[in-house]
Amino acid sequence: NAGVTQTPKFRILKIGQSMTLQCTQDMNHNYMYWYRQDPGMGLKLIYYSVGAGITDKGEVPNGYNVSRSTTEDFPLRLELAAPSQTSVYFCASSFYPGPSSYEQYFGPGTRLTVT
Amino acid sequence: KNEVEQSPQNLTAQEGEFITINCSYSVGISALHWLQQHPGGGIVSLFMLSSGKKKHGRLIATINIQEKHSSLHITASHPRDSAVYICAVALPYGGSQGNLIFGKGTKLSVKP
Repeated sequence: NAGVTQTPKFRILKIGQSMTLQCTQDMNHNYMYWYRQDPGMGLKLIYYSVGAGITDKGEVPNGYNVSRSTTEDFPLRLELAAPSQTSVYFCASSFYPGPSSYEQYFGPGTRLTVT
Repeated sequence: KNEVEQSPQNLTAQEGEFITINCSYSVGISALHWLQQHPGGGIVSLFMLSSGKKKHGRLIATINIQEKHSSLHITASHPRDSAVYICAVALPYGGSQGNLIFGKGTKLSVKP
């Protein structure tokens, strides 16, 4: 199994540009998550999904959108990028019923800079 | 005040030392996770526990639910243990099921 894969690894965006961060898992996990990690801060949940077709907001969803059309894929869309979105983004997945019962598997991260 | 507090923030040890990292939380939880973030940035899960103690190799994690406290111990530390160790708590099932609340991490450096 490849586990959780993310692309791209690095990206520089100009203010106002848009992009999609890709995340794929091959473990047949129901739960998928997007986190951002800012320097000196704990990971913050952006969006999560409990299965295909079902998504919900996390702690810091503003400026982002997600979709979950398949079990495997959970892309994160940034519209109108802002410098405040400069961060490292991690995708993760776990079995149902989620972090109360199962560990999370993390992707390698995407380092995004908005200038 | 953060809901998950870790101490110390930074820790430097000599190879072979016994290391303890602490995590305190202020909310009701269903489970607590310890994660390791490598210098290259990757994050791996070390333990998930809801009571008692778990051991994996030189790593031991304990939790005291009544005191809302967990510790991660590393015995016979080695330079390859150098990493950021992150504590995260899972809210009880039936709440926000997607939510782990993370501490800021403890940066460990083990010198040879």
